[in-house]
Amino acid sequence: KQEVTQIPAALSVPEGENLVLNCSFTDSAIYNLQWFRQDPGKGLTSLLLIQSSQREQTSGRLNASLDKSSGRSTLYIAASQPGDSATYLCAVGALSSGSARQLTFGSGTQLTVLP
Amino acid sequence: GAVVSQHPSRVICKSGTSVKIECRSLDFQATTMFWYRQFPKKSLMLMATSNEGSKATYEQGVEKDKFLINHASLTLSTLTVTSAHPEDSSFYICSAYEREQSSYEQYFGPGTRLTVT
Repeated sequence: KQEVTQIPAALSVPEGENLVLNCSFTDSAIYNLQWFRQDPGKGLTSLLLIQSSQREQTSGRLNASLDKSSGRSTLYIAASQPGDSATYLCAVGALSSGSARQLTFGSGTQLTVLP
Repeated sequence: GAVVSQHPSRVICKSGTSVKIECRSLDFQATTMFWYRQFPKKSLMLMATSNEGSKATYEQGVEKDKFLINHASLTLSTLTVTSAHPEDSSFYICSAYEREQSSYEQYFGPGTRLTVT
């Protein structure tokens, strides 16, 4: 059974700092990996999607990498801003026994960017 | 990008009543939709996979008679919480992927906050 771990659970940084969020997964037989952002009491906002054949994706100040063989992904946030404060979730997509492409979520990293 | 809506966004009901939550894909067809549950300060836990025109597949530990799922069309799945109890209070989120899209990127609804009193 796929297990997804995110480290650290919480992170507090001053504004302007570059930071890295980590995600690891136990089963490398994945078809994609998604990073999401969740604000308190809200739904999920998709940030980046990396297919299993890709090594990284970039969007603005965000860069996500994927090393499938070692079961790791990182989300790099450049020049952090207070508006980046949120919980960041990593989710790994794999084929279920019923042929559906299911996502398994990590427990998230709660990021606080201090002004 | 593809849009998924949920209705209602918030619902408060009395213990023992049933509540229906709708999940719609607004601009794409979704043969498969997923229902998740999220407890405060916790991650999303998959409850069930909803397949259009067939029975849902429930994850271990999820009572199928309590959480009824119907996926009657390619754009609508419903989750009915039957005989709700306070412990069913939670944030319920649905997702879907586009039928013709090979990336299988999941698009998420905004969630429904259920409070059972």
